[in-house]
Amino acid sequence: DAGVIQSPRHEVTEMGQEVTLRCKPISGHDYLFWYRQTMMRGLELLIYFNNNVPIDDSGMPEDRFSAKMPNASFSTLKIQPSEPRDSAVYFCASSFNGPGSPLHFGNGTRLTVT
Amino acid sequence: TQLLEQSPQFLSIQEGENLTVYCNSSSVFSSLQWYRQEPGEGPVLLVTVVTGGEVKKLKRLTFQFGDARKDSSLHITAAQPGDTGLYLCAGTLSSGSARQLTFGSGTQLTVLP
Repeated sequence: DAGVIQSPRHEVTEMGQEVTLRCKPISGHDYLFWYRQTMMRGLELLIYFNNNVPIDDSGMPEDRFSAKMPNASFSTLKIQPSEPRDSAVYFCASSFNGPGSPLHFGNGTRLTVT
Repeated sequence: TQLLEQSPQFLSIQEGENLTVYCNSSSVFSSLQWYRQEPGEGPVLLVTVVTGGEVKKLKRLTFQFGDARKDSSLHITAAQPGDTGLYLCAGTLSSGSARQLTFGSGTQLTVLP
C-alpha cells in the first residue's frame, strides 16, 4: 500500500499566482479530507469528500480556495490568487469509514507565498 | 478557543524519563484518537479509545480515556529519542456534526539523548 500521495512536497510562489495541490488517496478509501496546518491555528479541516462528492466545505477560508475530486483516485486543492497568509502545510488524508474514523495522512505540501 | 486543549504545549526531557501529556475538553466525545507527527511528515495514528475509562497500551505508551469521555492522557515510560514528535489528540463529538473530527493543538515532545 503506497499510502496517501501528495504533490508537490514544496511549493514557493509569488503573491497573486495560482497554486494547485494534488492528492491521491489510498485505494478503497471513500472519504478524502484536506487540512491546513499552521503554528498559530494547528490542523484545520478545509473540506471533505465522500465518494467524490464534497460534503462539507465550511472550513474553506474564502472564495480564493476551491477543491475538486474528479474521480476516486485524485483530488486537487486550488488557491487563486494566492496570498502570503496562505503559507502553511496542506495535508490530504483519506479514510474508509468517514469523518470520525482513523485518518491516513499524506506527507503534506509546504506552501510558501512571498 | 480550542475544543480540545492539550498540555503541556512543549516538553523537553532526558532519555529514560517518564512523562504524561493531557488532552482536555468540556465536551463529551464518542471516541478519541492520538496521533504522532514527525517533522516533514503527516500525523500517524497511534490509538483510538472509545469507552469511558478505557486504557490501551502500545509498548511503552499508555493511553487512557476519561470516565466521562471528556479527556484523555498519554503516558510514556522510559522515553527514547525516537519518541520525539508532535502528539495530537483528535476527538469525535457525541452530538452529530458534519465536522466531526476535531484536533487539539498538540504537545511538542523532545527527548534528549
